[in-house]
Amino acid sequence: DAGVIQSPRHEVTEMGQEVTLRCKPISGHDYLFWYRQTMMRGLELLIYFNNNVPIDDSGMPEDRFSAKMPNASFSTLKIQPSEPRDSAVYFCASSPANSPLHFGNGTRLTVT
Amino acid sequence: AQSVTQPDIHITVSEGASLELRCNYSYGATPYLFWYVQSPGQGLQLLLKYFSGDTLVQGIKGFEAEFKRSQSSFNLRKPSVHWSDAAEYFCAVRGGTYKYIFGTGTRLKVLA
Repeated sequence: DAGVIQSPRHEVTEMGQEVTLRCKPISGHDYLFWYRQTMMRGLELLIYFNNNVPIDDSGMPEDRFSAKMPNASFSTLKIQPSEPRDSAVYFCASSPANSPLHFGNGTRLTVT
Repeated sequence: AQSVTQPDIHITVSEGASLELRCNYSYGATPYLFWYVQSPGQGLQLLLKYFSGDTLVQGIKGFEAEFKRSQSSFNLRKPSVHWSDAAEYFCAVRGGTYKYIFGTGTRLKVLA
């Protein structure tokens, strides 16, 4: 089992550019979560999916953020346009029903 | 709404000493509770979980936690800390939905 795979590990971009973060969940996991981690705000839940359907996106900061899960093995988190305050580590996690989350190693995003 | 409080931002202990990390949660019913550990540059790794049953749960790396409903607490303990335990520790709660909420974390430093 390869675990949750996130790409890229690091992303540096300029303000105003579009950023796409990618996640491959563990096979067979029904749930997929996107979190953002910063020193100031800790781990924030942005959105989660069940069977590829978004269930709760109340944590998405604003319309610049969007997430999709076109199939059971792939999800993206897109920021357009990016801003310096979006700089953070973004984690993807997956789980089967009634089981704990399994986290990827994160994408460190720096927006200059 | 569910929430988690970790009152200690930083804790320093000597190697070989005992450890207790505090976690208080807010949720109207019996929650699912978790402790995760994060090493620098890594994702979060599950230490232990409480779903139901015995209120004292054992985890990996010699950690244990006790669920106390009357105190809304789920404190993490270890009898003897090793230098490799230095990391950040997160308590998390999950309610009836699959929304996992994390505390702000406790950073553990271990003195040789």
